[in-house]
Amino acid sequence: QQQVKQSPQSLIVQKGGISIINCAYENTAFDYFPWYQQFPGKGPALLIAIRPDVSEKKEGRFTISFNKSAKQFSLHIMDSQPGDSATYFCAASYHSGGYQKVTFGTGTKLQVIP
Amino acid sequence: SQTIHQWPATLVQPVGSPLSLECTVEGTSNPNLYWYRQAAGRGLQLLFYSVGIGQISSEVPQNLSASRPQDRQFILSSKKLLLSDSGFYLCAWSQGRGEKLFFGSGTQLSVL
Repeated sequence: QQQVKQSPQSLIVQKGGISIINCAYENTAFDYFPWYQQFPGKGPALLIAIRPDVSEKKEGRFTISFNKSAKQFSLHIMDSQPGDSATYFCAASYHSGGYQKVTFGTGTKLQVIP
Repeated sequence: SQTIHQWPATLVQPVGSPLSLECTVEGTSNPNLYWYRQAAGRGLQLLFYSVGIGQISSEVPQNLSASRPQDRQFILSSKKLLLSDSGFYLCAWSQGRGEKLFFGSGTQLSVL
């Protein structure tokens, strides 16, 4: 029940195209859904996040779509650029025992080709 | 601004040798601190977290231990490394409700 399932495992998109990464969860206690971006040899960095009372959040070319009833959320990268090539992790978390208990997806390696 | 330092970036150690990875955070006080391990294709696994000096909680039983001797210092240790300890180790911190995690640049550990 703590799992966050992420797909696809890898994704190749043409420059200017739309990249879509999907995640699904089971635990209804989750109340915060962030996406992290990780470049090779670096730690993940928070990209964008959403709470379950909102169905969509947009920041620049990055949009999270959230479907509470289906327990699914997705990241859309519009006008994908080669610089977006990285591994993307979805996550889901809730507050417990004095800290935020975070469960990560297994990651999607995105390659944007010119 | 807050920064997190993690070192070394790369480490090659023989089986049975000890381990000490250090992480420090600057520009904040009383952060929550975390150690994660990242294995290829398996996402990030939480190993330890700490909500204060000397307060360590472990998420999974393993060959590793953690300590927090100072407010902004977090150390990951092992007395005897195993082959299965190889991986990419990440330190992270958070503040307040702790929803946002801020990661260090990681240590790639190879146990041979």
